[in-house]
Amino acid sequence: QVQLQQSGPGLVKPSQTLSLTCVISGDSVSSNSAAWTWIRQSPSRGLEWLGRTYYRSKWYNEYSVSVRSRITISPDTSKNQFSLQLNSVTPEDSAVYYCAREVDDSGYDLWGRGTLVTVSS
Amino acid sequence: DTQMTQFPSTLSASIGDRVTITCRASQSIKSWLTWYQQKPGKAPKLLIYKASSLESGVPSRFSGSGSGTEFTLTINSLQPDDFATYYCQQYNSYSPWMFGQGTKVDIK
Repeated sequence: QVQLQQSGPGLVKPSQTLSLTCVISGDSVSSNSAAWTWIRQSPSRGLEWLGRTYYRSKWYNEYSVSVRSRITISPDTSKNQFSLQLNSVTPEDSAVYYCAREVDDSGYDLWGRGTLVTVSS
Repeated sequence: DTQMTQFPSTLSASIGDRVTITCRASQSIKSWLTWYQQKPGKAPKLLIYKASSLESGVPSRFSGSGSGTEFTLTINSLQPDDFATYYCQQYNSYSPWMFGQGTKVDIK
């Protein structure tokens, strides 16, 4: 059974780094047909695509312009997982963060359960 | 950026009704549109991809149509399990892949 298991802290202080991990079961982060994505959702911003990583003979990363200067999405092939780092967070970054899989440009067919992250001192 | 406008924002309907939700793109996205259903406290669920392709396991009462800038999601014979919020998303231009604002379908 293919699953995505998210982990990471639910509370981050302003100006610090938000770090989340998504462990993949039943698929490979190095799949040549999948892309591994982070999406967040908040009442003020709705659903917001943050970025993705994928392998097509080499690794690619693509990021939303809204967070491009602060975001890193990294694959870890040894642990079959991928991670999100968002630097210099503010309360505006408070949201539910989801990891998701996209296969063959056919939408996000698999999602993690979501992690509520609150940015507060 | 390609902006997505989804309407209505709220829709009240009864069991058995036919429901239509519209999503409009600010520029052509060909058929690069997906539809998701989301229930409170849950992750979105993929319903339709490439504008009109039904995701495996999704009931056939859901259908999608459109291309270019105008798209619709139709639910034929609304069932109790269908009361939820529905989102469209474009993935033609990648930065960013915008979601619509959502349509909440509730009970009339």
